[in-house]
Amino acid sequence: IAGITQAPTSQILAAGRRMTLRCTQDMRHNAMYWYRQDLGLGLRLIHYSNTAGTTGKGEVPDGYSVSRANTDDFPLTLASAVPSQTSVYFCASSDRPNGLGVSYNEQFFGPGTRLTVL
Amino acid sequence: RKEVEQDPGPFNVPEGATVAFNCTYSNSASQSFFWYRQDCRKEPKLLMSVYSSGNEDGRFTAQLNRASQYISLLIRDSKLSDSATYLCVVNSPGRRALTFGSGTRLQVQP
Repeated sequence: IAGITQAPTSQILAAGRRMTLRCTQDMRHNAMYWYRQDLGLGLRLIHYSNTAGTTGKGEVPDGYSVSRANTDDFPLTLASAVPSQTSVYFCASSDRPNGLGVSYNEQFFGPGTRLTVL
Repeated sequence: RKEVEQDPGPFNVPEGATVAFNCTYSNSASQSFFWYRQDCRKEPKLLMSVYSSGNEDGRFTAQLNRASQYISLLIRDSKLSDSATYLCVVNSPGRRALTFGSGTRLQVQP
């Protein structure tokens, strides 16, 4: 593994079904993030984790949950999918969390998961 | 008002042209600024950070104007391979998050 991987690459899901999007990084980054990207709205933060064992809510957390049991993995779960959750989902990581007084903090993104909820 | 605003474009320019994108941000406390590039159906990747004094990386120049709260990206001698969407990104300390603009699409034509 090099960088960040996401699975699945794409998925078509019936409304009401439960779905977990997987994200794994091998860079030993402390912070990880989940974004969704919709046309005209850009990337919006769903949840984040500054370090293993902690998580926080982003801009659009409703309908999603995350866990961070270890440094490498950060799965995103849709408990009961709805059509408005149709989107492209990107996982990202950074060496240090944002907003802690650092002036530079590049985020590295995974290749994305295209999710369609019917 | 959106925290980060960009002209969505598309900007259609011929090869060799110089093109400039602007981005405005609303949080005056923002401290870190970036330009990311996103190719069609791919993940965003960091193009360059934007420093207070301005910075250049080859054909790319980024400028920051804190007084007017805008960031610019200048691309000189455009190449076909520059065709992509350019995302303006601002680190907003109060929210401990990166805020992404919705992007400006550039299409360089032969």
